[in-house]
Amino acid sequence: QVQLVESGGGVVQPGASLRLSCAASGFTLSNFGLHWVRQAPGRGLEWVFGISSDGINIYYAGSVKGRFTISRDKSKNTVFLHMNSLSSEDTAVYYCARENGGASLEYWGRGALVTVSS
Amino acid sequence: QSALTQPPSASGSPGQPVTIPCTGTSSDFGAYDYVSWYQQHPDNAPKLLIFEVNKRPSGVPDRFSGSKSGNTASLTISGLQTEDEADYYCSSHAGINNFVIFGGGTKLTVL
Repeated sequence: QVQLVESGGGVVQPGASLRLSCAASGFTLSNFGLHWVRQAPGRGLEWVFGISSDGINIYYAGSVKGRFTISRDKSKNTVFLHMNSLSSEDTAVYYCARENGGASLEYWGRGALVTVSS
Repeated sequence: QSALTQPPSASGSPGQPVTIPCTGTSSDFGAYDYVSWYQQHPDNAPKLLIFEVNKRPSGVPDRFSGSKSGNTASLTISGLQTEDEADYYCSSHAGINNFVIFGGGTKLTVL
């Protein structure tokens, strides 16, 4: 069955970098768009980044422009979110989610907690 | 990135219907009928309930329905059940610069 598993979360200091992984199983990433959505403690959902099925088109929120990037390893069926210059405002649970078309996110991972604190 | 507007809370009794509105501007919804709704229980990942305004993924009960009129989308739950108590989020697609816009979320309480 379709499964997404995030990893790489943790506690980092302001200004640090971190890489999150999203390992997919039960489907091939080359056939679906993949997105990252975050949720700060006690807050709502915020879409952060996305990559199209062909890996050519990249989409991102203004709040992470120039700091976050996304990449994909087709051989591992895994997508990575590279986060730089982290601040306390980036503290959140980060979910990866598979797009069902029309920007709807049908399958979600359980999330990875990123805490930025000195 | 603008957020769609949802009421922070809603409530209803078991068996009763409840509707949660989601309001945006014409640019928030763009030229697409790409409105989705998600349900999130505490400490769980969101679950897709509705996509493309009024379509349900396999396995979602038909008491969940979606609609859109002008710049307001709505999620209606007919016949509330206790397990429907959760947070609900709407989202839209407004082009490549705002690929997914979420509403602020509505906390639904089943009385």
